[in-house]
Amino acid sequence: GAVVSQHPSRVICKSGTSVKIECRSLDFQATTMFWYRQFPKQSLMLMATSNEGSKATYEQGVEKDKFLINHASLTLSTLTVTSAHPEDSSFYICSAGGSLSYEQYFGPGTRLTVT
Amino acid sequence: GESVGLHLPTLSVQEGDNSIINCAYSNSASDYFIWYKQESGKGPQFIIDIRSNMDKRQGQRVTVLLNKTVKHLSLQIAATQPGDSAVYFCAERDPGNQFYFGTGTSLTVIP
Repeated sequence: GAVVSQHPSRVICKSGTSVKIECRSLDFQATTMFWYRQFPKQSLMLMATSNEGSKATYEQGVEKDKFLINHASLTLSTLTVTSAHPEDSSFYICSAGGSLSYEQYFGPGTRLTVT
Repeated sequence: GESVGLHLPTLSVQEGDNSIINCAYSNSASDYFIWYKQESGKGPQFIIDIRSNMDKRQGQRVTVLLNKTVKHLSLQIAATQPGDSAVYFCAERDPGNQFYFGTGTSLTVIP
């Protein structure tokens, strides 16, 4: 099946710094990528949808200036958490959609800890 | 927003028994449904999917049942194994191609 990777898998940063998370589709072209946030023992919360070459669509309540999303190519999307705070600590997961609209493949997730 | 919920947040089964995980969805126009398995610290893994024009689909040891009349989805795991212990999520796709996830059921298999 299709493979989606994320880097880094874990990151610890200090409050006030920015962190970039990469999401790559390794063996297919992803026209659409999704970014989710997951708190412990909770479900996935969609943050934003990004389409290659256009601006991301953010869900209500998600600050677009804080969570910068770039989808510059069909195989790479990045999420940058700017001026991170401890409350941004979470598990961030991306998924990528293939050529068929109903496909969605998840990355392994990135554990962000802000100290 | 949409509401996709699970009836049982936790489920414990004996190894070798069958497991049934349930999910209720709210949008009768949703046309595609997926079950995911998520192990601790990992991303969700696709298990099985079903389109709204079907009411049953079988995979290897797993079966998904869809009852559109009552907007209910279930995942059946046959001969549950310790490796099946994980959190299971259902997801529905609405006509706008948006996916909504349920809260998850934690399955524990007792050896």
